[in-house]
Amino acid sequence: DQQVKQNSPSLSVQEGRISILNCDYTNSMFDYFLWYKKYPAEGPTFLISISSIKDKNEDGRFTVFLNKSAKHLSLHIVPSQPGDSAVYFCAWGSQGNLIFGKGTKLSVKP
Amino acid sequence: EAGVAQSPRYKIIEKRQSVAFWCNPISGHATLYWYQQILGQGPKLLIQFQNNGVVDDSQLPKDRFSAERLKGVDSTLKIQPAKLEDSAVYLCASSLEPNSYNSPLHFGNGTRLTVT
Repeated sequence: DQQVKQNSPSLSVQEGRISILNCDYTNSMFDYFLWYKKYPAEGPTFLISISSIKDKNEDGRFTVFLNKSAKHLSLHIVPSQPGDSAVYFCAWGSQGNLIFGKGTKLSVKP
Repeated sequence: EAGVAQSPRYKIIEKRQSVAFWCNPISGHATLYWYQQILGQGPKLLIQFQNNGVVDDSQLPKDRFSAERLKGVDSTLKIQPAKLEDSAVYLCASSLEPNSYNSPLHFGNGTRLTVT
């Protein structure tokens, strides 16, 4: 059973608009979530994280929101740029374990 | 700083053959991980080392997979014999300390293995 679910395999957004990537989780016993971005033929790169005691974390154009009651996490990218086109993975972390979702492919069109 | 280095980038073998992957982590990173990423899936942890000791290998298919990190730096992952379902990208990652909020993983570019 998937502990981290990214239910949208793909998302297409116009340049300059907001991209919203979603992630649902089943286990409440987590310490933090991380978002990774992956370009083709490269390894995932760390983007942004949020600890279990926060509900929002912001870094430039990237903001992650955590809704613990709904067990839902979202990543907002504003404004979206063509270079943001990649696969985005959310990952659940607890006690050294990191469990990844299946990823969402974001396409930002000029 | 130099990133995580992996080789080879691509490997094609026939089933029942053996294969080995190499990883050199970021200098000073004590924790090293091997992940398997099957097409359309997220990365799945195979094994985690802290220095040269194994922390977690619960998801490593030990009948065919083995890994070592002899001097606490470089690591090799071996598959013998390979099966068709082993076709995947094998990612090596490292971190300063065991995965935590303040010590995210740094991944290499991976080795794409195709088993025919």
